[in-house]
Amino acid sequence: GEDVEQSLFLSVREGDSSVINCTYTDSSSTYLYWYKQEPGAGLQLLTYIFSNMDMKQDQRLTVLLNKKDKHLSLRIADTQTGDSAIYFCAENGESYQLTFGKGTKLSVIP
Amino acid sequence: DTGVSQDPRHKITKRGQNVTFRCDPISEHNRLYWYRQTLGQGPEFLTYFQNEAQLEKSRLLSDRFSAERPKGSFSTLEIQRTEQGDSAMYLCASSLGLGEKLFFGSGTQLSVL
Repeated sequence: GEDVEQSLFLSVREGDSSVINCTYTDSSSTYLYWYKQEPGAGLQLLTYIFSNMDMKQDQRLTVLLNKKDKHLSLRIADTQTGDSAIYFCAENGESYQLTFGKGTKLSVIP
Repeated sequence: DTGVSQDPRHKITKRGQNVTFRCDPISEHNRLYWYRQTLGQGPEFLTYFQNEAQLEKSRLLSDRFSAERPKGSFSTLEIQRTEQGDSAMYLCASSLGLGEKLFFGSGTQLSVL
């Protein structure tokens, strides 16, 4: 079955880099995603990576994928207070229906 | 360009009542998904449509839950005889097709008293 694990909390100082980690189980996933959720809001697609890639960079965001270890990470450079939110890792597996982790709550200290 | 739209944003109901939520996907998207999110958890898949066809509904939580997408555009999710355990955020998402990125609406927060 599909399962996605994330650490629940991360606290960083403004201006530092944040690294959010995720492990997944379904090796058939073709895409892996990072979504951001602010309080009381829906999910905002931040970035995604195709499973045959190792890295993807998009402005302040860097996604690293280690397919052998089924490990995905999201690095946010120069973290700002507006980055405070819950970040969800998700995989699509064979069915293309996303399976989400429980989310990592990022707190940015001014 | 409008994103995925959900209505209402909040719904408070008494136990035993029926509720219906609406989702309007991004206009050219033919896949539409419903997810449920409870406090402290990630979204949990419920069902999805390819145009008007409901291709997966085995993950609907009980037979009190049903969804429709009659003309392949907007969709409704109905919960009959609501229970307190149904209190959650109900999220709708759409995608252009198989394997494409999912875009989510802001959700409908249901509170069952």
